[in-house]
Parts: sequence; structure tokens; C-alpha cells
Amino acid sequence: SQQGEEDPQALSIQEGENATMNCSYKTSINNLQWYRQNSGRGLVHLILIRSNEREKHSGRLRVTLDTSKKSSSLLITASRAADTASYFCATDSLGSGAGSYQLTFGKGTKLSVIP
Amino acid sequence: GAVVSQHPSRVICKSGTSVKIECRSLDFQATTMFWYRQFPKQSLMLMATSNEGSKATYEQGVEKDKFLINHASLTLSTLTVTSAHPEDSSFYICSARDPRAHTDTQYFGPGTRLTVL
Repeated sequence: SQQGEEDPQALSIQEGENATMNCSYKTSINNLQWYRQNSGRGLVHLILIRSNEREKHSGRLRVTLDTSKKSSSLLITASRAADTASYFCATDSLGSGAGSYQLTFGKGTKLSVIP
Repeated sequence: GAVVSQHPSRVICKSGTSVKIECRSLDFQATTMFWYRQFPKQSLMLMATSNEGSKATYEQGVEKDKFLINHASLTLSTLTVTSAHPEDSSFYICSARDPRAHTDTQYFGPGTRLTVL
């Protein structure tokens, strides 16, 4: 079942603008991760934020986590055309049946950066 | 960083045949591997979790007799789609993690695109 829900589902911005994507989830998590996927390709891991962290930066990426609201946001600053892709949040939590941690992905945000 | 490979990257088969997809961890021991399915323009759906040497745990709604998973070694897991039908056409992605490494990182393969005619 889907744990994370991203919004917006689609986002179109001009190159140079900032892009913000949000993710909400329902259960307790070990950490939350953001991934990028270019059309028809594999996943690229962007950033991981642990449940006891509130903010994390990596280059032009800034991720926040609010465990009280069960939400996270991904901010891409000074966007580039090459940032065009789908972005997924994924929550890492203990699986109900497998007895091991597993990632559950949200539906994703399709970002289009117009040159 | 750790690398996970999948083979084949793309496969086309006739309806009713079986297809095997391999997932290998190239430079680390993957005690746990995961198989995901992704339909066009949708998110990744976890199909099953497999631990080396034991039976896979399937998510609700995933038929274990149709999607056979074998995790016989610490570096190899296979997914066999049996008696494939056109509705099985999808992008299948595996991932691996090594809990003993005390890391939360899950490494993803590049995916296998299955088309069933």
C-alpha cells in the first residue's frame, strides 16, 4: 500500500526558479528518503533524513521533516532543465510481515523545468 | 557506492511463457532484497521482500505462485514471472540492503522492462 503521498502531482516551473514538493505519510518511520527518476529509467537516491532530524541539505537540495505532522518537503533551488524528472518520497519503516525494514514509495511529483 | 545490477534490462516474451529476472549485488552482501513493480506513470509498488536462505514475504495482493522469488545467495535474487500475461507487462526493479552494515541505505537496480505480447 502507498504510504507517502506527494503533492503536487505535477509541477511546471521556469529554469532558475525554486521547486518545492511535499510528502505526507501515515505511520512511524525510521527515516524518509527522496529519489529521482528520469522517464523510463532507474531510481537515483537524492537524500535521506532520519526521524530525529529536522532539516538536511545537499547541494541545491533542502529537505525538511516534521514527524509531528508526518510530512516532509523537498526544495530544489535554482532549478535547471536537467532537474526535469519524477520525484518520489519513500518512508523506511518496519514491514508488517517481513520483519525487516522496507521502503514504501509515494505516488511522486512530476517536475518539468522549462528552459 | 554499492552497485546493484539487473539482467536483462529489457525482455519481450509471448503470453504463457515464463521470464526470469536476475538481481545481483556487485560489491556487498545483500541479506535482504526487495522486488518492486512500476506501471507507466505510477509509483513503485513493493511486491515482496526476500531474505537470503528463507522464503520471500509477499505483499498483499501479490500472487506468490505467479511471481517466484529465489534468494539463494547473498549476492543474487531472482524473480520469475510464470505464465506471463499482457497485464504483467511492467517495469520491475530490485533493491538490496545489508542490515549488518548498520546502514539505512537501500541500493536500487536499473530495472527490467517486461513486455508480454
